[in-house]
Amino acid sequence: GAGVSQSPSNKVTEKGKDVELRCDPISGHTALYWYRQSLGQGLEFLIYFQGNSAPDKSGLPSDRFSAERTGGSVSTLTIQRTQQEDSAVYLCASSSKTGENYGYTFGSGTRLTVV
Amino acid sequence: GDSVTQMEGPVTLSEEAFLTINCTYTATGYPSLFWYVQYPGEGLQLLLKATKADDKGSNKGFEATYRKETTSFHLEKGSVQVSDSAVYFCALSSGGSNYKLTFGKGTLLTVNP
Repeated sequence: GAGVSQSPSNKVTEKGKDVELRCDPISGHTALYWYRQSLGQGLEFLIYFQGNSAPDKSGLPSDRFSAERTGGSVSTLTIQRTQQEDSAVYLCASSSKTGENYGYTFGSGTRLTVV
Repeated sequence: GDSVTQMEGPVTLSEEAFLTINCTYTATGYPSLFWYVQYPGEGLQLLLKATKADDKGSNKGFEATYRKETTSFHLEKGSVQVSDSAVYFCALSSGGSNYKLTFGKGTLLTVNP
């Protein structure tokens, strides 16, 4: 597609429920990233996928968080047993090559509210 | 670890005013530095970047110079427009995980006509 697409754009869920957030990167981009933007905070790195390599999961805040990338394209971020502190905007980005010199293209994000 | 500190907003200016948004960083090695912009309702966009000391990144009238001696990357524009109203994020990447960006908290800029 023309840009990075994320769905849903907004999600309200009850505490304790599981949620799935979807990211559809730019076609042909091999690198995909998830970040979290909490109110008043900067963006927090969550996870990175590059091609068929093992993902860098070092930013996932707890074992309730997991992510998959199927077929080197679409990615799903899953949060199990959601807590109120999980409320944030979850941003996905993709890039054509690894590394800082190429920049990322970000999606518009999914705003998650846990009530 | 790596960190980015940028001036807290919100910043409110009149059209054609001069803009400075300060950004300083702490990083290992020689990071690459970035400014991203997020317009209302849109995703973050790369505004400009600099990959080594004394480089100047520029785009859309915005400039920032990589100052290693002061570990700074301040964003400037000589004459802002209403359309520049957005949130601006300073960021860096460094070290072995050079795909991983470390962001500041963002600065909200509002430009009034």
